[in-house]
Amino acid sequence: DVKVTQSSRYLVKRTGEKVFLECVQDMDHENMFWYRQDPGLGLRLIYFSYDVKMKEKGDIPEGYSVSREKKERFSLILESASTNQTSMYLCAGGADNEQFFGPGTRLTVL
Amino acid sequence: AQSVSQHNHHVILSEAASLELGCNYSYGGTVNLFWYVQYPGQHLQLLLKYFSGDPLVKGIKGFEAEFIKSKFSFNLRKPSVQWSDTAEYFCAVSPLSGGYNKLIFGAGTRLAVHP
Repeated sequence: DVKVTQSSRYLVKRTGEKVFLECVQDMDHENMFWYRQDPGLGLRLIYFSYDVKMKEKGDIPEGYSVSREKKERFSLILESASTNQTSMYLCAGGADNEQFFGPGTRLTVL
Repeated sequence: AQSVSQHNHHVILSEAASLELGCNYSYGGTVNLFWYVQYPGQHLQLLLKYFSGDPLVKGIKGFEAEFIKSKFSFNLRKPSVQWSDTAEYFCAVSPLSGGYNKLIFGAGTRLAVHP
């Protein structure tokens, strides 16, 4: 059974803090993705990675960065959190055009 | 720009009613198509997918979807819904443009089924 795990289900941070969201997959997939999910907007791609140390910007990369030092781990970094980054963050792993999602991290920035 | 449009944001049905959720996309080339479902408090999971072949695709829990290429549509259907189908449904499209196959999601449709 494929599995994507995320480090936290709920997170509360203050404006200006540096935030790390961690994602681990056990499927040996090359591709990993970070999305944010907002009501009425669906899922929007922030960044994705197709290999270790490789990254590509998605549709809304501003204010975010990522790190992929190992194949199974893909981190999303908010360098200086802002209130408009309050959202649900979903990580996914994938190959052959299919993606498998983690449970999500609900981030609140105060 | 490529986009996915889901016609209904909220749908309310009684148990045993039939369901059809619309999905249209804007992309002229070859695509792979998906429906994902998110039950309350659970993670997003794949309901069904279309890559090629028979345009009528059957998924889990009695759901099916039909790909109509001429209409750029991939509508989701279920003949008789149950209370347990209450969830949010997302249509997604992956344009096969030679690069890394990203998913483009629609805004989602919240379905509430009343007993």
